[in-house]
Amino acid sequence: QQQVKQSPQSLIVQKGGISIINCAYENTAFDYFPWYQQFPGKGPALLIAIRPDVSEKKEGRFTISFNKSAKQFSLHIMDSQPGDSATYFCAASKKTGANNLFFGTGTRLTVIP
Amino acid sequence: EAGVTQFPSHSVIEKGQTVTLRCDPISGHDNLYWYRRVMGKEIKFLLHFVKESKQDESGMPNNRFLAERTGGTYSTLKVQPAELEDSGVYFCASSLPGQAQYFGPGTRLLVL
Repeated sequence: QQQVKQSPQSLIVQKGGISIINCAYENTAFDYFPWYQQFPGKGPALLIAIRPDVSEKKEGRFTISFNKSAKQFSLHIMDSQPGDSATYFCAASKKTGANNLFFGTGTRLTVIP
Repeated sequence: EAGVTQFPSHSVIEKGQTVTLRCDPISGHDNLYWYRRVMGKEIKFLLHFVKESKQDESGMPNNRFLAERTGGTYSTLKVQPAELEDSGVYFCASSLPGQAQYFGPGTRLLVL
């Protein structure tokens, strides 16, 4: 049973546009929600993370929006660039960074110049 | 600072053979995790070491998989005998207590 559901599976965005990836979870014990970015041939790299005590976290062009009541969180990439083309994974765990991560299935983002 | 390293980067073996994957965590990271991604699916947790002790091995698929972390430094994951469904990318990650996990580049295993 998949604990974190991610959509869409793939996404094509024009340069300068906004990329939005959505995730949903069921387990209310989750309290740490990271996003990972993976380039071909590389491992997933932590991009940005949020805890449920805040509804939004922004780092540069990347923003996580978190809706605790709906058990949903999303990644927004503003002013998307071709260099952002990668696979993005949302994840969740029950204890900040100290426990195993439950991942979504990934979203392959392509930013067209 | 060196990141998490994994060896080999790729492995192609026949069904029934044995393969051993190695992970070297970031120096000083007591927490070491193994994950696997089967094509098109999510990255799934296999097990978690704290130093040399297995903290959680609930994700290990069956007894054909054996993970060790002797001395609390590097870790190995052995698959014996390998089956077709073991194909996938095996990731290792490490972390300090309560901190984010850093992933290695993965080992791509293909069982024919």
